[in-house]
Amino acid sequence: SYDLTQPPSVSVSPGQTASIPCSGDKLGDKYVCWYQQKPGQSPVLVIYQDTKRPSGIPERFSGSNSGNTATLTISGTQAMDEADYYCQAWDSSAVVFGGGTKLTVL
Amino acid sequence: EVQLVESGGGLVQPGGSLRLSCAASGFTFSNYWMSWVRQAPGKGLEWVANIKQDGIEKYYVDSVKGRFTISRDNAKNSLYLQMNSLRAEDTAVYYCARVDAGRVVGYFDYWGQGTLVTVSS
Repeated sequence: SYDLTQPPSVSVSPGQTASIPCSGDKLGDKYVCWYQQKPGQSPVLVIYQDTKRPSGIPERFSGSNSGNTATLTISGTQAMDEADYYCQAWDSSAVVFGGGTKLTVL
Repeated sequence: EVQLVESGGGLVQPGGSLRLSCAASGFTFSNYWMSWVRQAPGKGLEWVANIKQDGIEKYYVDSVKGRFTISRDNAKNSLYLQMNSLRAEDTAVYYCARVDAGRVVGYFDYWGQGTLVTVSS
């Protein structure tokens, strides 16, 4: 089976740039998307097909994917960005999620 | 406005069965792959199953194969998950999600609010 690995936690100061990595074998050959989940809420898509932002998602959210690592970058991080973030890719017809990263803004 | 509303969750004993439903509105349901994704308490997201627009092509995570069945009724704009032989480790919030752009390149662009399934004696 295919695995996606994320760090359990990342911390960032307000206004700084947060980078959340997601690694997997030849991940750059797949499309990666990212979800934000706040406590008690359903996940929200923030990046799809590696770099695209859905309507309504702030420009400070961006994504990249190359080699074995995809990265979600949040520029000018705000307190409201504190949440769990999950990467996701497809392995044939199955969907794989990373274990999730808790972003703390302090 | 796209809406996905799950129902059918609850408390069930180990070995029991439950059927989850997801009522879709605000889009042409028959045009999209649909999925179930679950989240155990305090844990991460886990994909459970996918179903193609025609309801024939289906895929499951290994841990539920042979126990869970995903289905859909395009006339009723509804998605279902029949869960049999439930185990304690199936305890989770179950989300219904729409897949945009199809299999392999797709992504979950809309999610329901989730329904809690608790398997316990």
